[in-house]
Amino acid sequence: GQQVMQIPQYQHVQEGEDFTTYCNSSTTLSNIQWYKQRPGGHPVFLIQLVKSGEVKKQKRLTFQFGEAKKNSSLHITATQTTDVGTYFCAGEEEGAQKLVFGQGTRLTINP
Amino acid sequence: ETGVTQSPTHLIKTRGQQVTLRCSSQSGHNTVSWYQQALGQGPQFIFQYYREEENGRGNFPPRFSGLQFPNYSSELNVNALELDDSALYLCASSLLRENNSPLHFGNGTRLTVT
Repeated sequence: GQQVMQIPQYQHVQEGEDFTTYCNSSTTLSNIQWYKQRPGGHPVFLIQLVKSGEVKKQKRLTFQFGEAKKNSSLHITATQTTDVGTYFCAGEEEGAQKLVFGQGTRLTINP
Repeated sequence: ETGVTQSPTHLIKTRGQQVTLRCSSQSGHNTVSWYQQALGQGPQFIFQYYREEENGRGNFPPRFSGLQFPNYSSELNVNALELDDSALYLCASSLLRENNSPLHFGNGTRLTVT
């Protein structure tokens, strides 16, 4: 079945450093979504990418969808303490009617 | 706009018992998905309901079952509880998934099986 893998599992940075998490799917995706889960909270939708090679930005966050629509990345520039949390990618195959989540990358920040 | 609400927030059950978790979807949403999230893991898809019918299922045994009601609220039932069922159960509502609409999660129900 479809599998979605994320690396790294954990990342600790100094405040102000950049952060990147990578997501790879075993199958071609119709779309990929990114979610953020704060400690003790629930996943919150950040963004969706649909087109091959698509790049979207939200302030300091840059999201990219690979040309083959099997991988994606999230890059945060100049991290802030408010960026702490676990970032999940979630991919959906065409017509699959289910969103498969990666295991997440947990970001911690030293102020 | 009313968000997704889940009840109860916490629950402790004994192995072999049965449990029912409830979810009210966000207003305007017609689809409900249930996920199981073990500690330190990503959410695992259990199933999805649309128009009161199951519309997609993950790799969970039949003792995990669900319902969706005409008002789009939903229940997750788990029979014959096992210790490994201890997890955070998340409900998420959306518009019908074919439009790739994002999931809006509730705060979850923390289930502990002893």
